[in-house]
Amino acid sequence: DQQVKQNSPSLSVQEGRISILNCDYTNSMFDYFLWYKKYPAEGPTFLISISSIKDKNEDGRFTVFLNKSAKHLSLHIVPSQPGDSAVYFCATFLNQAGTALIFGKGTTLSVSS
Amino acid sequence: DSGVTQTPKHLITATGQRVTLRCSPRSGDLSVYWYQQSLDQGLQFLIQYYNGEERAKGNILERFSAQQFPDLHSELNLSSLELGDSALYFCASSVAPQAYGYTFGSGTRLTVV
Repeated sequence: DQQVKQNSPSLSVQEGRISILNCDYTNSMFDYFLWYKKYPAEGPTFLISISSIKDKNEDGRFTVFLNKSAKHLSLHIVPSQPGDSAVYFCATFLNQAGTALIFGKGTTLSVSS
Repeated sequence: DSGVTQTPKHLITATGQRVTLRCSPRSGDLSVYWYQQSLDQGLQFLIQYYNGEERAKGNILERFSAQQFPDLHSELNLSSLELGDSALYFCASSVAPQAYGYTFGSGTRLTVV
């Protein structure tokens, strides 16, 4: 049973607009969440993380929002660029020791110019 | 270049055979993680080693085994291969997983025919 769910397999956005990628999780004990980006033929690349003690973390064009009561997080990319086209995974740790990072199935973002 | 090196990049083998995938973590990282990415299952955590010791186990089949050597490189051994084992196998390493997640290699694509 999936503990981290990305319910939208794909998202298409125009260049310059906002991209919003969503992720739901099942266990309220999860305390760190991460987003990864993956290009074809490459390994996933760490993008941004958020601790459960925060509700927002920002890094340049990327902002992650965490809603603990809804067990939901989202990644906002503003403005979106064609180079952002990739598969985005949300992830969390199964335990507080930082082992066993588990991933959602990913959302493929396509940004058109 | 992420600093995590995986060899070989591609591997084609027949059912019933055994293969070994190799991973060198980033310099200074003591933890190595193995993941399997198949089309329908997304990124699945297999196993973690820390400084030569097994630390955490995920959905790793009994036909699969891993080890980490004194120089910290790791090998994932897959035996009695089946068609369903065809996937991308990623290795990752970390220094501060909660803050920076894992750093992934570019993967080994295994095709079982």
